[in-house]
Amino acid sequence: QKEVEQNSGPLSVPEGAIASLNCTYSDRGSQSFFWYRQYSGKSPELIMSIYSNGDKEDGRFTAQLNKASQYVSLLIRDSQPSDSATYLCAVNTDKLIFGTGTRLQVFP
Amino acid sequence: DTGVSQDPRHKITKRGQNVTFRCDPISEHNRLYWYRQTLGQGPEFLTYFQNEAQLEKSRLLSDRFSAERPKGSFSTLEIQRTEQGDSAMYLCASSLELSFAEKLFFGSGTQLSVL
Repeated sequence: QKEVEQNSGPLSVPEGAIASLNCTYSDRGSQSFFWYRQYSGKSPELIMSIYSNGDKEDGRFTAQLNKASQYVSLLIRDSQPSDSATYLCAVNTDKLIFGTGTRLQVFP
Repeated sequence: DTGVSQDPRHKITKRGQNVTFRCDPISEHNRLYWYRQTLGQGPEFLTYFQNEAQLEKSRLLSDRFSAERPKGSFSTLEIQRTEQGDSAMYLCASSLELSFAEKLFFGSGTQLSVL
């Protein structure tokens, strides 16, 4: 079992819709969780971090964490074509472990 | 520029040659990480340093790979006797270690092509 799992996509949503990205992890001792955005040919960029169960909102982004289910998600409201990128879920065990990423496509 | 800097941006080499990459972290960051990323995959952990000490090296990493961080500042990653399977983007990241709240900031990466 991979430590961090994501659906590779692509996830296609129309402009203005909500994009929902999901991630599961295997290490129950993990305490911190991150979402990175990676545009094609660029390096990952941190967009959200979450440490406790529940929701955390930052602008159009909401991260959700459920430690009992070992599940992290990212919601992007009012999706824009500029949100088209690969979204990487990362989990801190004793080091940061990344999932394979979900490719999001937002079409006009 | 206060971000993470990597050099070179691109490297093309022939199989069997040695290559060395450099990373300059954000100045106040005490942790430095090396990751490798291939197309369609997430970054794969290679090794990391806290100050000048190398704390962990991936058990999947060949002995052909070595990294240093003298004086706890910049770091180098060397690959000896390169193979075509080493072709990838090599990413460096740094952080200010704050227990579980550690956030990594990435450089632009070095794209290695082994012919």
